Amino acid sequence: GAVVSQHPSWVICKSGTSVKIECRSLDFQATTMFWYRQFPKKSLMLMATSNEGSKATYEQGVEKDKFLINHASLTLSTLTVTSAHPEDSSFYICSARRELNTEAFFGQGTRLTVV
Amino acid sequence: QKEVEQNSGPLSVPEGAIASLNCTYSDRGSQSFFWYRQYSGKSPELIMSIYSNGDKEDGRFTAQLNKASQYVSLLIRDSQPSDSATYLCALEGGGGNKLTFGTGTQLKVEL
Repeated sequence: GAVVSQHPSWVICKSGTSVKIECRSLDFQATTMFWYRQFPKKSLMLMATSNEGSKATYEQGVEKDKFLINHASLTLSTLTVTSAHPEDSSFYICSARRELNTEAFFGQGTRLTVV
Repeated sequence: QKEVEQNSGPLSVPEGAIASLNCTYSDRGSQSFFWYRQYSGKSPELIMSIYSNGDKEDGRFTAQLNKASQYVSLLIRDSQPSDSATYLCALEGGGGNKLTFGTGTQLKVEL
């Protein structure tokens, strides 16, 4: 399968600060990347879909100004959690796919803890 | 009705048995279906993809798709303790370029 690398794998930050998470497709060009968050023992919750060179499409209830997504190239998307609060603590996972109707491959995930 | 439904389990099977995981969906327009495995604290990893009716086999795994009945299943033969994980069903639907996931079925393979 294709390789998607997510960095960092874990991060601890103070309330009010911002955290950037990177998602890279290492051996393929990803037309679309997805960002999810997952709470313990819960399913994946899609936050947004991003296509290279265009604005991300956010799911209902996800604050665009809080979760900034940039998809500057076909191999890199970033998620920035701005003004983080303890309730933002979660497992954030990205995935990438080459094109429609193909498999999506997941990064390793980032465990964010806001203290 | 949820878009993708799975029994949350846990589904317990003895080692060496066949584990059968089921998933039903509501969007008749769905074309692409996927099974992912997720270990606790890790991100999902792709096991199988299936696009047409019938069975698709890959090693110990067999995916089955029935679009008329709107279900997709995953069979795991000769289950091993290392198969213990949560299995997520996903499909491409919703009219857009995104995958919709079920809540997952927890599988426990017991010695």
